[in-house]
Amino acid sequence: NSKVIQTPRYLVKGQGQKAKMRCIPEKGHPVVFWYQQNKNNEFKFLINFQNQEVLQQIDMTEKRFSAECPSNSPCSLEIQSSEAGDSALYLCASSRQGSGQLYFGEGSKLTVL
Amino acid sequence: GQQVQQSPTSLVLQEGENAELQCNFSTSLNSMQWFYQRPGGSLVSVFYNPSGTKQSGRLTSTTVIKERRSSLHISSSQITDSGTYLCAMEDNNNAPRFGAGTKLSVKP
Repeated sequence: NSKVIQTPRYLVKGQGQKAKMRCIPEKGHPVVFWYQQNKNNEFKFLINFQNQEVLQQIDMTEKRFSAECPSNSPCSLEIQSSEAGDSALYLCASSRQGSGQLYFGEGSKLTVL
Repeated sequence: GQQVQQSPTSLVLQEGENAELQCNFSTSLNSMQWFYQRPGGSLVSVFYNPSGTKQSGRLTSTTVIKERRSSLHISSSQITDSGTYLCAMEDNNNAPRFGAGTKLSVKP
């Protein structure tokens, strides 16, 4: 069973509010991924890190979205000013270096009213 | 860009029937993984199968790299197999991307 821990499981925000989600990767996994699964169940890759460094990210994460993986602290994904279209399940995964095998957390379900 | 196509979109079976799920990739494959998504949303890894054939109980996965495809075979389906099956593939240039999933419904 995966030991990726995501918090909170659910969060509800008003439009314009900040939303922050956290992820603790499995021990020994330096690579962390964030995905967004929308209401149509479509997955969108957002960003990934190796240790504290960003490996890849899509354009949307350069605007209202920010993410970091500081050493000795949980990784986080933050939406500065939530919009209704941000309502989705945000999934964090980790993997060993050099491996494409992903281990997912339970996800954080964001609802923006 | 990198695309992952899954088929069928949905599948309804009688308990005991077999299922064959397909995943096709538009770029060359570095690794691929099959997941089962629970109704609550969490993803459970079914197979990590970059190449060849793997079996676990009633489930078998076969990945053929040069044909850019992978399949998941479920034999003697059970009601508890119902759910969404997703494949994710990684190429040399991109993080793993997901298909749209196959929604499987097994009826008594």
